[in-house]
Amino acid sequence: SQTIHQWPATLVQPVGSPLSLECTVEGTSNPNLYWYRQAAGRGLQLLFYSVGIGQISSEVPQNLSASRPQDRQFILSSKKLLLSDSGFYLCAWKKGSGNTIYFGEGSWLTVV
Amino acid sequence: AQSVTQPDIHITVSEGASLELRCNYSYGATPYLFWYVQSPGQGLQLLLKYFSGDTLVQGIKGFEAEFKRSQSSFNLRKPSVHWSDAAEYFCAVGAISMEYGNKLVFGAGTILRVKS
Repeated sequence: SQTIHQWPATLVQPVGSPLSLECTVEGTSNPNLYWYRQAAGRGLQLLFYSVGIGQISSEVPQNLSASRPQDRQFILSSKKLLLSDSGFYLCAWKKGSGNTIYFGEGSWLTVV
Repeated sequence: AQSVTQPDIHITVSEGASLELRCNYSYGATPYLFWYVQSPGQGLQLLLKYFSGDTLVQGIKGFEAEFKRSQSSFNLRKPSVHWSDAAEYFCAVGAISMEYGNKLVFGAGTILRVKS
């Protein structure tokens, strides 16, 4: 069966520091991968999605970036965090030919 | 582009009472519709989904949802709520196409509180 893992689960970072959140999917190949953000009191906002290695689409202009160095690995990064980057970040995946998106457990980021 | 509206930010129901969470969508073609549930501090769990066929779909934990094309709605229901159902519920519409990049667009969520 397929599983998705993301880490770290919780992160407290100072303003201006870098960020790296990692997500991996097991048990499938060539998945579509997604990063969503859920800010306090808000719904889910799609940040990035990827349909293949090295293919990244950005939904919202911001100081975050994403990379997909391997088929089942998706990384969310920032060179300099802002206070407004605080939130709950969710990685998700779906089969390339599938219609259902499955989510990881999420990573809490607090920028102080 | 597709959009989803969940008009109720908070709903409180008594344990054992019935529940209906509303969801309206906007999409130019037949949508793929989903309901997810999120417990505090956790990821999203898929409750049920509608792609085609029978407009009444059954999900996990005793939930069901009905797709009504004429009303552009996909309301979530449960006949008898349990205290463990307290969580936040998200409706989502999928645009599974190359144009839209196989994305889900989510509503703002409805927080369900269950009182004993």
